[in-house]
Amino acid sequence: GAGVSQSPSNKVTEKGKDVELRCDPISGHTALYWYRQSLGQGLEFLIYFQGNSAPDKSGLPSDRFSAERTGGSVSTLTIQRTQQEDSAVYLCASERLAGGVGELFFGEGSRLTVL
Amino acid sequence: GESVGLHLPTLSVQEGDNSIINCAYSNSASDYFIWYKQESGKGPQFIIDIRSNMDKRQGQRVTVLLNKTVKHLSLQIAATQPGDSAVYFCAEKNQAGTALIFGKGTTLSVSS
Repeated sequence: GAGVSQSPSNKVTEKGKDVELRCDPISGHTALYWYRQSLGQGLEFLIYFQGNSAPDKSGLPSDRFSAERTGGSVSTLTIQRTQQEDSAVYLCASERLAGGVGELFFGEGSRLTVL
Repeated sequence: GESVGLHLPTLSVQEGDNSIINCAYSNSASDYFIWYKQESGKGPQFIIDIRSNMDKRQGQRVTVLLNKTVKHLSLQIAATQPGDSAVYFCAEKNQAGTALIFGKGTTLSVSS
């Protein structure tokens, strides 16, 4: 596609359930990021994938959070045993060159609400 | 630690005025800074960037100024328009040179 695509756009779940959020980056982009944005807040870095290198997971807030990037393309962010404080917009972004100049292309996000 | 912050969370201007949005950063080793604009319900969008070997860079109606001495970054928008209303974030690469670290953002409101 022309841009970064994220699904679902909205997800409402009950506390304790697992959720999966999907990101389809721009074709050919080698780097992929996940960020979390709580209401009225900035973007909190979660995880960064670059090519075939080990991902930078330094931003994941707990071991309930994990992410994969299969085949260097699609990525899935999984949150296990969701908590109310996990409610936020989860943004995915891709970058043409790993370690590049920082022009990230963002999707429109997946809004997660944990009841 | 690493942090990127902004001086003011909100800025209100009249259409046609010039806007200045400020940002302070803490990582003196940063060599690359970027400004992003986020409209309501959308993901952030790249506006302009600047490398640490420059102190000024101009784009279309926007200018970014970098003062490395005081670790200060600013975004100037000329002849602000209602379509400029958005949240503006400054960002820098983390110390590992991988992730972009974003500040909390300044909400710019432009009234006609």
